[in-house]
Amino acid sequence: ETGVTQSPTHLIKTRGQQVTLRCSSQSGHNTVSWYQQALGQGPQFIFQYYREEENGRGNFPPRFSGLQFPNYSSELNVNALELDDSALYLCASSPSVRVAGELFFGEGSRLTVL
Amino acid sequence: AQKITQTQPGMFVQEKEAVTLDCTYDTSDPSYGLFWYKQPSSGEMIFLIYQGSYDQQNATEGRYSLNFQKARKSANLVISASQLGDSAMYFCAMSRPKQGGKLIFGQGTELSVKP
Repeated sequence: ETGVTQSPTHLIKTRGQQVTLRCSSQSGHNTVSWYQQALGQGPQFIFQYYREEENGRGNFPPRFSGLQFPNYSSELNVNALELDDSALYLCASSPSVRVAGELFFGEGSRLTVL
Repeated sequence: AQKITQTQPGMFVQEKEAVTLDCTYDTSDPSYGLFWYKQPSSGEMIFLIYQGSYDQQNATEGRYSLNFQKARKSANLVISASQLGDSAMYFCAMSRPKQGGKLIFGQGTELSVKP
């Protein structure tokens, strides 16, 4: 069983640039959620994708957008990067969108914005 | 609005001893789920234990147990027989009904296990 994988693991961008982060969900999981974890904080929910549709969004501006593909992998895109976007971005997959249960997290993509 | 509070930024425990990590929550939903995750320095969040709001008994998973006190809105994690590998950040989280994958996390507690 393949776990959740994220790429890239580390990246550095400058303010105003755009970034795309990628996530491959665990086999058989059709739901992917993205979280932002600033240094010293708990993760914050960005949005969730279920069967290629956005299924809920946290308190993040529209410059945070995403996609889910037919194989349930997902992308997180952030436009017009700001210094405060520096964080660990975590992807998590789950087998069901409706039942609260264990989330399977990747190791994250650590973004630094200079 | 839902909220999770972890009041212990850091904790120390001697190897082989038990430790309790505190978590209180606030919600108006009668149905909810409570989770504990471990985050080592690698960054990956590792699921430890889950408690549903209607579960009658406290959840246990190996050395982990969840001390669920619904009236007090607390969901403390108890780790028995601490090991050096338990040193990590620990996060308490809550989900809303029928919203799998959308968790609200606390600020975390950094646990250090001393040899």
